[in-house]
Formats: sequence, structure tokens, C-alpha cells
Amino acid sequence: AQTVTQSQPEMSVQEAETVTLSCTYDTSENNYYLFWYKQPPSRQMILVIRQEAYKQQNATENRFSVNFQKAAKSFSLKISDSQLGDTAMYFCAFMKRDSGAGSYQLTFGKGTKLSVIP
Amino acid sequence: DVKVTQSSRYLVKRTGEKVFLECVQDMDHENMFWYRQDPGLGLRLIYFSYDVKMKEKGDIPEGYSVSREKKERFSLILESASTNQTSMYLCASSGGQGRYGYTFGSGTRLTVV
Repeated sequence: AQTVTQSQPEMSVQEAETVTLSCTYDTSENNYYLFWYKQPPSRQMILVIRQEAYKQQNATENRFSVNFQKAAKSFSLKISDSQLGDTAMYFCAFMKRDSGAGSYQLTFGKGTKLSVIP
Repeated sequence: DVKVTQSSRYLVKRTGEKVFLECVQDMDHENMFWYRQDPGLGLRLIYFSYDVKMKEKGDIPEGYSVSREKKERFSLILESASTNQTSMYLCASSGGQGRYGYTFGSGTRLTVV
């Protein structure tokens, strides 16, 4: 079974600064996907960024980027130029790839609560 | 805009009541999921379904059942609600072998009194 660990329950960052959220995972799989989800106080969970394990290049989406270290099983999220709207819970998640019907399950970490301070 | 819609945002029920939480998606996704979310515990999978009339237990199925009679609708049933089922319930769906992750509903905050 896979496990996902987010070691920082809460973090804060000044507006316009950069913050990095940590995520490590444990798996014996070689092919998988990794995701970061954001859940603002309004509750709707939305996808921030995704990474395919077989791709060495780190994924980037505007101000959001990841540092994917496959050997270390680490998948951190960097938020640049933090904005007040980035205040949210952030969840790291893991999914095995192409495991057949019924196996496309996400395993989530327990989340990091990020506060952006004006 | 594609959507996963949960029928209720807030729900208050009495202990022992039968409770139905409804979820509908308009993306023709094969896979649908029910999670509960509790502070400090993250998201825990209750049940999922990868096809009509198919269901699989997740990590915490006790006290719950599900129904998927149509592809777009996935219902979570609490046969006899208890106070320890007070929680946030999130529905999600995915297609394309999951490679793009899930689309989530807005959640239902259930309080059992």
C-alpha cells in the first residue's frame, strides 16, 4: 500500500514571497502520477498541478512548480509570488498508473494549511 | 464547465435516521468516489465505483453503503446515522484511467445529532 506524508501541518508566508510545501511518499511502484490539490475555505477541491513519474522534467503551472525527486520519493510544491487567494489547505496525492479497472484511486496526505499574510 | 454536483451543502440528521447523499457528474466519467474529510485525518476513501452497478470498498466502508444505478449518479447511504459519522463528505469522479486526477464536488457537511 502507498502512503503519502506531509510533514508540515501549517505554514504561513508573506504576500509576494515564495513558499515550499513538502510531500514524501512510499511506494514500490515505478509508474505513477503525483498531484497537488488546493482546498480554499469555500471547500471545493481543485487540481493545482500534476506530475507523471516517468517524466524527469518538473511540472510548472504559472506560479506553481514542483520539485520531483523520484529516487528520494519527494514531491514538493513551490508557490512563487504568493497571493492572498493562495490561502488554503493543500493536499499531496499519489495514484498508481494503469492498474486496471477499479484501481484508479488517489491516496492523499493529511494536508498542509497555508496562510498568506498581507 | 464540467461539474460534480452534490445535492446538499449542509445537512443535519438525527441519530438512527437513514441518510442519502447524492452526487451527479456530467463528464461521462467511469469512476466515482466517496471520501470523508476530518481535521487531522485528511481524506479517507469510503467506497468507489468504476462502472454502473459496480462498487468496491475503500478504507472505511463500515456503516456506509453505495448505489450506482446510472453512470452519472453515485449515492452514499448511511443506513443508521450515528454521531461519529458527523463529517465533511466529498464526492469525486475521474475518467481517462485517472491520469488527470479527480474532479471534486463542493462537499456536504453532515451533522448527526
